[in-house]
Amino acid sequence: ETGVTQTPRHLVMGMTNKKSLKCEQHLGHNAMYWYKQSAKKPLELMFVYNFKEQTENNSVPSRFSPECPNSSHLFLHLHTLQPEDSALYLCASSQESQGNEKLFFGSGTQLSVL
Amino acid sequence: GEDVEQSLFLSVREGDSSVINCTYTDSSSTYLYWYKQEPGAGLQLLTYIFSNMDMKQDQRLTVLLNKKDKHLSLRIADTQTGDSAIYFCAESRDTGRRALTFGSGTRLQVQP
Repeated sequence: ETGVTQTPRHLVMGMTNKKSLKCEQHLGHNAMYWYKQSAKKPLELMFVYNFKEQTENNSVPSRFSPECPNSSHLFLHLHTLQPEDSALYLCASSQESQGNEKLFFGSGTQLSVL
Repeated sequence: GEDVEQSLFLSVREGDSSVINCTYTDSSSTYLYWYKQEPGAGLQLLTYIFSNMDMKQDQRLTVLLNKKDKHLSLRIADTQTGDSAIYFCAESRDTGRRALTFGSGTRLQVQP
């Protein structure tokens, strides 16, 4: 257990569906992240939240909508996705210390868009 | 090219040493990290090194950093079948930006 919990573990959705991914961290960290992992590509940073405020949106399409109600919870709302959005979506949290930003990851949500 | 590059695949025999290499482009990198990802799991932090260090050893793991060449390596001594996984190199930068930049990962296969 890393202290970062993601649900659901697997999700299959049609292109017209609306779904949400949930992430919760029990580590007392003040930053949370969404990364996208596709086969044979580097991890792609999607969003960064620092003390609940979004500090980075890495040119992510608007069909992905993040929400961070508090420092422990992070959501990713999905609507009208495309098949190329199928990937593993990883949530992470961190607490920076003297420039050292150790990220702790959840197990991810494996998303398939049909 | 990519900011952080790694070779895609490495195969070793059980008991041998494994060396996984990584190159990065940004000279402002402050910390460099190695993560391990097992099938069906997220990324697990293995070790990290501060950019003003050349080497760090942690049990079977040895990290070497050549800052001049922007080259990082992870050596796993006495590699075991349980070490089979994907290994990611990552960097943080002294820009105030809170995120890590990851490579594509190296798949390590350990043959019994």
